[in-house]
Amino acid sequence: NAGVTQTPKFQVLKTGQSMTLQCAQDMNHNSMYWYRQDPGMGLRLIYYSASEGTTDKGEVPNGYNVSRLNKREFSLRLESAAPSQTSVYFCASNEPGQGNTEAFFGQGTRLTVV
Amino acid sequence: ILNVEQSPQSLHVQEGDSTNFTCSFPSSNFYALHWYRWETAKSPEALFVMTLNGDEKKKGRISATLNTKEGYSYLYIKGSQPEDSATYLCALPDRGSTLGRLYFGRGTQLTVWP
Repeated sequence: NAGVTQTPKFQVLKTGQSMTLQCAQDMNHNSMYWYRQDPGMGLRLIYYSASEGTTDKGEVPNGYNVSRLNKREFSLRLESAAPSQTSVYFCASNEPGQGNTEAFFGQGTRLTVV
Repeated sequence: ILNVEQSPQSLHVQEGDSTNFTCSFPSSNFYALHWYRWETAKSPEALFVMTLNGDEKKKGRISATLNTKEGYSYLYIKGSQPEDSATYLCALPDRGSTLGRLYFGRGTQLTVWP
């Protein structure tokens, strides 16, 4: 059982380049999330998807777009990377409507924008 | 938006010491509270999910209590070991229009010195 699979694990981009972070879960969860983690800031929500076909902005959505391709997959795209987007990105999933159900996280993507 | 506060931000203890830290949250509309353990270079993993006032959970040397009326939860570690070094995150799911979405505190970073 793979849980949440996130790729790539590491990436270096030049300012202005684009890239897509991929995330897939095999737990049949409806909700999926993208977070970024910066020193001293904890986990900040970029975008989330409560169910297939829906997406909503989180706390820090600027500079990002997302696609909920199907129930399993939720991708995060940086159209024109900026140094401020250097961060560690985590994908997560859980089941909405069941707040007592824990979230499961991918292994993270360490992104550096130079 | 749920405001989740954790204190202290960081903690350094000697091996064998017992320690505790706090998660504070709005007591109104409480639904559930999650504790996650996050080791460096790994992804966060759930420790406990707590739902009832007075709830107490225990896993080995780690335990947690919950007071929903006053809006706080304590996480205790008895006889800290170097392998307990991690960031401990508290999160609450929204029960409003974005049911299930998790709001995270900034975490308490624990370092246990041998």
